[in-house]
Amino acid sequence: DAGVTQSPTHLIKTRGQHVTLRCSPISGHKSVSWYQQVLGQGPQFIFQYYEKEERGRGNFPDRFSARQFPNYSSELNVNALLLGDSALYLCASSSKTGSGANVLTFGAGSRLTVL
Amino acid sequence: AQSVAQPEDQVNVAEGNPLTVKCTYSVSGNPYLFWYVQYPNRGLQFLLKYITGDNLVKGSYGFEAEFNKSQTSFHLKKPSALVSDSALYFCAVRDPTSGTYKYIFGTGTRLKVLA
Repeated sequence: DAGVTQSPTHLIKTRGQHVTLRCSPISGHKSVSWYQQVLGQGPQFIFQYYEKEERGRGNFPDRFSARQFPNYSSELNVNALLLGDSALYLCASSSKTGSGANVLTFGAGSRLTVL
Repeated sequence: AQSVAQPEDQVNVAEGNPLTVKCTYSVSGNPYLFWYVQYPNRGLQFLLKYITGDNLVKGSYGFEAEFNKSQTSFHLKKPSALVSDSALYFCAVRDPTSGTYKYIFGTGTRLKVLA
């Protein structure tokens, strides 16, 4: 079975541009979460979606937005890119919401470089 | 506020020796605790979790972790290290009452196993 797949794997943007990152969860998983991992730090929670509804939002500016589609795939959008947005963006899926002790399964990430 | 601390940026251990990677947490109530491992250019892989019950949790690849409520610690251990265990290890905590998959990650500990 395919795991969590993310695209693109690498991309380079310039300041002020916008970016769209995509994620396909494990088949049957209805929850998708997004995390930002800056070099040298642990991942930080951005969003969680379940059944196309936002279930959680981290401490990120409104330039960050996301959505989940009927097939449970998800997009993360970042507008007006800043140098500080350079990071590895991780998508994780789970079969349920935030209840229980379900484990997150992470994709390999999309590495964004902002010049 | 919830937080996780991994006091060691790097841990070096000889192959065959026991290893310990430290983690302490600060969270109200009874948290869910996790360990993940990250290999270069890969996403995070789940190792083990503590929800409730026995303080010694066994996980993947021979790893185990000991939950100590009085010391608010959740140290990762392995009786005999392998060179292939060299990677970046993250401790994470989640508030089970939050209803979201907002994990709080530590800053990571790089484990280096020397042949």
